Amino acid sequence: EDQVTQSPEALRLQEGESSSLNCSYTVSGLRGLFWYRQDPGKGPEFLFTLYSAGEEKEKERLKATLTKKESFLHITAPKPEDSATYLCAVLGNQGGKLIFGQGTELSVKP
Amino acid sequence: DTAVSQTPKYLVTQMGNDKSIKCEQNLGHDTMYWYKQDSKKFLKIMFSYNNKELIINETVPNRFSPKSPDKAHLNLHINSLELGDSAVYFCASSQQMNMNTEAFFGQGTRLTVV
Repeated sequence: EDQVTQSPEALRLQEGESSSLNCSYTVSGLRGLFWYRQDPGKGPEFLFTLYSAGEEKEKERLKATLTKKESFLHITAPKPEDSATYLCAVLGNQGGKLIFGQGTELSVKP
Repeated sequence: DTAVSQTPKYLVTQMGNDKSIKCEQNLGHDTMYWYKQDSKKFLKIMFSYNNKELIINETVPNRFSPKSPDKAHLNLHINSLELGDSAVYFCASSQQMNMNTEAFFGQGTRLTVV
C-alpha cells in the first residue's frame, strides 16, 4: 500500500535559520511527488512536482529534492511569512489518487 | 478569479440532517476530487470523477453521494449526518487523471455536526 510519512511533525525556526523537512514514501511506481503549502483556514497551495530521483526544483527560499525513498524540502534563510503547514503527496500506479503525508507545521519567528 | 471554488465555507448542522457542498472549477480540467481533512490535518481522498464519470470511491459510507452534472462541477451530498463527519472537506481538480499533473484545491468547507 502506498504510504507517505513526513518529519518532523512540527518545526520552529528563527528567522534566517535554514533547515529541511523530510518526506519518506513507499509507492508502487512513482508517477510524481508533490509538495504543497497550506495556510490556516485555506486549501493546499501547489509548490513543486518531482518525477524522478535526482530531480531538484527551486522557488524563492524553497528547494525540493528527490531520491528513490524520500524527498526533502530545504528552506534557506526562512522568513515569518514562510510559516505554514507543508504537505507532501505521492501519485503512484494505483490510479490517479494523491496519497498525502500528515504534514510538517513550520513556524518561523522574527 | 478563483480557480476552484466551493460553498459554503462553514457549515454547522445537527446530527441526522442532510446537507450539500458545492464545487466548481474554471480551469477546464477533466478530473475533480473530494478530499477529507481530519483534525490532525491528514488529507484523504474520498472520490474522484473524470469527465463526469466516477473513478475512485474510497471506502466512504454510502451516506456520502457525489454528483457531477458536468465536468466543471462536483457536488457532495451527505445524508443523516453524524458527529464523526465533522471535518474540513476539500474539492480539487486536475488536468486529466492519466497525466501526472498537480491538483488544485478549493478553500475548504469546515463541517461541524452538533
